Order: sequence, then C-alpha cells, then structure tokens
Amino acid sequence: EAGVTQFPSHSVIEKGQTVTLRCDPISGHDNLYWYRRVMGKEIKFLLHFVKESKQDESGMPNNRFLAERTGGTYSTLKVQPAELEDSGVYFCASSRLGQGKDEQFFGPGTRLTVL
Amino acid sequence: QKEVEQDPGPLSVPEGAIVSLNCTYSNSAFQYFMWYRQYSRKGPELLMYTYSSGNKEDGRFTAQVDKSSKYISLFIRDSQPSDSATYLCASGAGSYQLTFGKGTKLSVIP
Repeated sequence: EAGVTQFPSHSVIEKGQTVTLRCDPISGHDNLYWYRRVMGKEIKFLLHFVKESKQDESGMPNNRFLAERTGGTYSTLKVQPAELEDSGVYFCASSRLGQGKDEQFFGPGTRLTVL
Repeated sequence: QKEVEQDPGPLSVPEGAIVSLNCTYSNSAFQYFMWYRQYSRKGPELLMYTYSSGNKEDGRFTAQVDKSSKYISLFIRDSQPSDSATYLCASGAGSYQLTFGKGTKLSVIP
C-alpha cells in the first residue's frame, strides 16, 4: 500500500508569490489533515477534511491560505501571497473514517522557503 | 504555557541503553496519546498510541501515560543505532487534531 505522498518536496519562492502544495492520501482514507512546522516550533494543526468537506479549519493562520479537496481524493494547499513567516515544513496526513483519532499517517512533507 | 511540553534534547546514549523520553501536558481534555518517530527529512511515523493511563508495550517500546500527573513517557529498551531519530509526543481531545510536543532528538552511539 502506497503511503501519503506530497509534492513538491521542496519549494523556494519569493515573498508575494503564490505556491500550491499537493497531497495524495492513502487510497481509501477519507480523513485528510494538513499540519505545519515552522522552524524551532512544534508541528501545528491547520485543517481537517472528511472526504471533500472541511471538518475543522481552526488552525488556518489567515485568509492567505486556501485548502481544497475536490472529489474527496487529493488535496491542495495554496498560499497567496506568500509571506516570510510562511516558511516551514507542511505535512499532510490521512486516516480511515472512524480511525482518525489514533492512526494518522503522515507524508514526508513539503519544505517551503519564502525569500 | 504550551499544551504539550517536551524537552528537545539532544539526547545521546550508548547502544543497548534504556532510553526514557518524556512529555507533560496541560489540557485535561486530552483523551488519547501517541508517540511518533521522525527520521531526518521524513514525515512522522506512528510508533505507539494509547487512550488510557497505564503501560502499553510493543516490542522494545513501552508507552506510559499518567493522567493524574499529566505525564507521558516512552521507554526504548536495548536501544539501537537505527533508533536515532526525533521522537514526538502528541495528544488529542474530542476532535481529530493532534497537538504535538517539539520533539526530542535521540542519538544512539554504536
């Protein structure tokens, strides 16, 4: 079974530009989560999808961040316009419906650098 | 006060040693607790999870939760160089979002 995949693995952009991160969850996993780790800080929750619906987006930092999951499969996280403080590692995780509270499987992350 | 506190280390031990990793948490609503292992440039990998106070064992790993003192521990017996990684504790309440500690970087020296 393939794990959670994320693309790109690394992105370097300039302040003010737009970046779109993609996450492909494990096949059959209806729960999808985005987390972020800013340098020196702990991993923090951003939002949670159940299929194509946003279940909890309480961790989204501001309206420059837009997450979508059309069709309930892969998800994208767009940052527009990017700011310096958006630099960090963005992780995606997925889990089966009904099992998300204890078995979230993480992807390798996308390392975003905003210059 | 952060909801989950974890000493970032680094922690260096000789091969074969018993490793003790610890976290404290402040949110009484936390119901489930897990430990993740993260190798460099990789995503966190779930090692252990538990819902209740007490011990849970899996091979060389034992997770311990004491809800009365809000203390979470992970013990690694007979540590191996391949155990060298960052270990993250995480907790959750009613929702699905996990709250992580900063992680402890462990090095096991051959």
